[in-house]
Amino acid sequence: DAGVTQSPTHLIKTRGQQVTLRCSPKSGHDTVSWYQQALGQGPQFIFQYYEEEERQRGNFPDRFSGHQFPNYSSELNVNALLLGDSALYLCASRFGRTSNEQFFGPGTRLTVL
Amino acid sequence: GQNIDQPTEMTATEGAIVQINCTYQTSGFNGLFWYQQHAGEAPTFLSYNVLDGLEEKGRFSSFLSRSKGYSYLLLKELQMKDSASYLCAVRVNDYKLSFGAGTTVTVRA
Repeated sequence: DAGVTQSPTHLIKTRGQQVTLRCSPKSGHDTVSWYQQALGQGPQFIFQYYEEEERQRGNFPDRFSGHQFPNYSSELNVNALLLGDSALYLCASRFGRTSNEQFFGPGTRLTVL
Repeated sequence: GQNIDQPTEMTATEGAIVQINCTYQTSGFNGLFWYQQHAGEAPTFLSYNVLDGLEEKGRFSSFLSRSKGYSYLLLKELQMKDSASYLCAVRVNDYKLSFGAGTTVTVRA
């Protein structure tokens, strides 16, 4: 049973570029959340997708957008990259909007130069 | 806003006990989670408390006092592999977890 998978593992971009990160949830899970974790900090909630809709958003600008596909996989898009966007981006999945058990993927390490 | 505080670092000896405290002030409360995160890896679930009291799971126990906005994670019989960051997180509503900055625990031989 595959857990949460994310791609790519690492990514290097330059300021102003755009990036797309991908997440496949754990088998049987239909809800995906995205988090940004800066070095030495806890994860910060970006948004959650359920039934292909964004259900809630954290304090992130519109440069951060996402999508959920019918197979429950998800993408995180970041436009006009800034140096401060360098972080580990974590995807987490669970079954249903309100279940407690949430599994994290290994993350994508994004470096913006 | 959400305010979740935990110590930055703790050091303990193999076989000892360590208690990681977490205090929180959040706009909502639907439970408190503890996660373990090894360097460069994903957070992994350790415990969940929604009612006051102690939850024990093997070498790890977690305590919650909602009236005090306080929780702790107790790690017993420390092993070298327990060296990691421990994240306290409050579920503020159905959708969102707010995390503390994490406590780095170093276990020495």
